[in-house]
Amino acid sequence: AQSVTQLDSHVSVSEGTPVLLRCNYSSSYSPSLFWYVQHPNKGLQLLLKYTSAATLVKGINGFEAEFKKSETSFHLTKPSAHMSDAAEYFCVVSGTGGGNKLTFGTGTQLKVEL
Amino acid sequence: DAGVTQSPTHLIKTRGQQVTLRCSPKSGHDTVSWYQQALGQGPQFIFQYYEEEERQRGNFPDRFSGHQFPNYSSELNVNALLLGDSALYLCASSLGRTVYFEQYFGPGTRLTVT
Repeated sequence: AQSVTQLDSHVSVSEGTPVLLRCNYSSSYSPSLFWYVQHPNKGLQLLLKYTSAATLVKGINGFEAEFKKSETSFHLTKPSAHMSDAAEYFCVVSGTGGGNKLTFGTGTQLKVEL
Repeated sequence: DAGVTQSPTHLIKTRGQQVTLRCSPKSGHDTVSWYQQALGQGPQFIFQYYEEEERQRGNFPDRFSGHQFPNYSSELNVNALLLGDSALYLCASSLGRTVYFEQYFGPGTRLTVT
């Protein structure tokens, strides 16, 4: 079985400061990993994905994540937070038993303060 | 180019009733997956349809069933509704079933069971 654990349910940062959202994964094989963002009353949007290519993945809106196999981690970072980044973020692992079923973490609520 | 669309947006049903939710995939996509997102939780995989057949299923009872039509649109049916079925139901589409194909999510249908 595969799973992801998001280590923080809530993260609060000041605008202009760095963002770090932590995710650890568990998988019996080389996983595909994603970060999705969900703004209030909106659907899920893909931020970035790792599919066994470069370990440092760049996504939209200045976000990036680094796949570290030795630490089984896939943390999401952004150098400078913007008010519009306030949302729920989900770490996701894919691909068990064929197909591309997504297994979501429990989410991290990011709050950005002035 | 229209993205993933879902109908209805909101729905209120009574315990024991049946409900049908609809999803139209992004243009060119042939695979549809359904997810249930309870309040404050990450989405949970219900099932996936490809070539009009259910190819993968999550840990949901048989009360949850679906269908995919030749035009790749899909329906999710839930029978004998329980209060615990109240959730946001998300549809996601992709081109193909491998992990390399990004899943695009619709805005969801908010189901309330009273």
